[in-house]
Amino acid sequence: GENVEQHPSTLSVQEGDSAVIKCTYSDSASNYFPWYKQELGKGPQLIIDIRSNVGEKKDQRIAVTLNKTAKHFSLHITETQPEDSAVYFCAARRGRGAQKLVFGQGTRLTINP
Amino acid sequence: DTAVSQTPKYLVTQMGNDKSIKCEQNLGHDTMYWYKQDSKKFLKIMFSYNNKELIINETVPNRFSPKSPDKAHLNLHINSLELGDSAVYFCASSQERDRGRDEKLFFGSGTQLSVL
Repeated sequence: GENVEQHPSTLSVQEGDSAVIKCTYSDSASNYFPWYKQELGKGPQLIIDIRSNVGEKKDQRIAVTLNKTAKHFSLHITETQPEDSAVYFCAARRGRGAQKLVFGQGTRLTINP
Repeated sequence: DTAVSQTPKYLVTQMGNDKSIKCEQNLGHDTMYWYKQDSKKFLKIMFSYNNKELIINETVPNRFSPKSPDKAHLNLHINSLELGDSAVYFCASSQERDRGRDEKLFFGSGTQLSVL
């Protein structure tokens, strides 16, 4: 089955700097890669996703890149703000059905003022 | 209005007890889920359920059982609680879409279960 590795497990950056979180996946047939943000005391929330027919997707300060050959994808956050502090999860899925999503281990991002 | 709500938010109980966590979604979604998040924040699916099928993660002990009285509710029953069941349990929902579109998961705010 699919296995998703996420790095780093913790990341601390200065406010205004960029943050990058990387994930690798094992199943070359995976075709959907969402990113979820989990704030303290809350459930994860989808922030951006990408499908395998696209190499990059951007939404304001966040972007996701996908390298299918290397089987890795990354989340990029630019001009970080204190409210970006949270745990971020990548996930990968082969086929249809949210129950097939496999999550990475999570990255705790801290933005230092 | 909270889209996916679960109760209680905190649950402290003794080993061996039976407990339930309730979940309701007002999004009109047709599929609901239970996830377990351990102390290291690892998220793992336990069940997915719609009116057609129940899919169970094979690693989930049969002490855990989902119960759905209707499409908007999926409750989680846990029998004979063990210390290792301590975790945060998340309910989620999604709407099955046409081929080529992806199902976004909407999570509740979690239930922190502590087994003493």
